[in-house]
Amino acid sequence: ETGVTQTPRHLVMGMTNKKSLKCEQHLGHNAMYWYKQSAKKPLELMFVYSLEERVENNSVPSRFSPECPNSSHLFLHLHTLQPEDSALYLCASSQDGWEESTDTQYFGPGTRLTVL
Amino acid sequence: AQKITQTQPGMFVQEKEAVTLDCTYDTSDPSYGLFWYKQPSSGEMIFLIYQGSYDQQNATEGRYSLNFQKARKSANLVISASQLGDSAMYFCAMREEANANTGKLIFGQGTTLQVKP
Repeated sequence: ETGVTQTPRHLVMGMTNKKSLKCEQHLGHNAMYWYKQSAKKPLELMFVYSLEERVENNSVPSRFSPECPNSSHLFLHLHTLQPEDSALYLCASSQDGWEESTDTQYFGPGTRLTVL
Repeated sequence: AQKITQTQPGMFVQEKEAVTLDCTYDTSDPSYGLFWYKQPSSGEMIFLIYQGSYDQQNATEGRYSLNFQKARKSANLVISASQLGDSAMYFCAMREEANANTGKLIFGQGTTLQVKP
């Protein structure tokens, strides 16, 4: 596998379910990101990890819980979600040369989440 | 105020023609980076091109070029010789120096491009 992969690609869950989204990057990057993309809204940054340490939590509700066990893997644990949480969840990674504005984020294909 | 503005919700272009997608930005940082991404219907965001605020020349990558006008705070994407596979959503994004400790990207609303055969 190359690039950034995400599983599952599609997920339907009830409001009382607990599920997890998985992201894996094969680029040797040090930073990983979760974004939410809702219909008719710009991408919203949710979480940022650098070398497995969370450096940004963009006022995300606690029903979303990220986990970064190593620099190649990122999870988003979901519990008691609301229908308005239905969206495309995108994972990205970058080298983490943030002092250089050239640091480019590479995205996975996303998980299309539907909350019933 | 929006940091990134893409005023064209949808655009049509004839195959083999060139098309310009508009992007204006708002920042007070002297150092920033501008990015364009393509999102096909499959969902993946594909990096296309980058322009740094201190770059003297406009960025080019194959059929993609960035028309960077710093004084106007615009960073328009030009796609030459459009192909059917160019039909997708296109996003302009910016990283400001103020976000140097998080790598945070700010995205615009996107422009849907449809290439007609």
